[in-house]
Amino acid sequence: EVQLVESGGGLVQPGGSLTLSCAASGFTVSSNYMGWVRQAPGKGLEWVSVIYSGGNTHYADSVKGRFTISRDNSKNTLSLQMNSLRAEDTAVYYCAKVEYSSGWYFDYWGQGTLVTVSS
Amino acid sequence: QSVLTQPPSVSGAPGQRVTISCTGSSSNIGAGYDVHWYQQLPGTAPTLLIYANTNRPSGVPDRFSGSKSGTSASLAITGLQAEDEADYYCQSYDTSLGVFGGGTKLTVL
Repeated sequence: EVQLVESGGGLVQPGGSLTLSCAASGFTVSSNYMGWVRQAPGKGLEWVSVIYSGGNTHYADSVKGRFTISRDNSKNTLSLQMNSLRAEDTAVYYCAKVEYSSGWYFDYWGQGTLVTVSS
Repeated sequence: QSVLTQPPSVSGAPGQRVTISCTGSSSNIGAGYDVHWYQQLPGTAPTLLIYANTNRPSGVPDRFSGSKSGTSASLAITGLQAEDEADYYCQSYDTSLGVFGGGTKLTVL
């Protein structure tokens, strides 16, 4: 059974940093595409980042240069390093397994972890 | 402003049929990229409802169906049930980017 469990969310000041982790089970992270999607309070879904099985990464313009997606193959985990955080980064961050079919989609989601950027 | 456009809300009575539209452009849906749909029940994470335009993951009732034509796609729900009350999101792909619709809140009257 595929399971994704995020951790690492919390309260951080503007300009600060935070690293989110996602522990995967039931499949191998390094053999799959993986991604992050966020949802600001009361708002819709926003794609954040994807890492391909070959290691290529892509980012939404809103986080490019500030966020870094990576994986730890030995621990079967996905991470999102977030720097220079802004108030508008406040959201629930979901880790998701990604499938590809003429573009990619998210077939399994974690329960999410809340990041609050505030002074 | 989302790249994909959905109606903010739709509603229907139990047993009725409702549809949710998702309108894109020539750089995403119109470029041939697939459309996918997610259901988000209140207070929970999204789950995949329809993938690659018309396919249902295992466990999704056949009351849910998807279609795609040109630069648009639609999600249809027949035999509406109270537990279908949720937010629905379409999603596609646009030049190395993932794009979502703004979401549609379905109310079962």
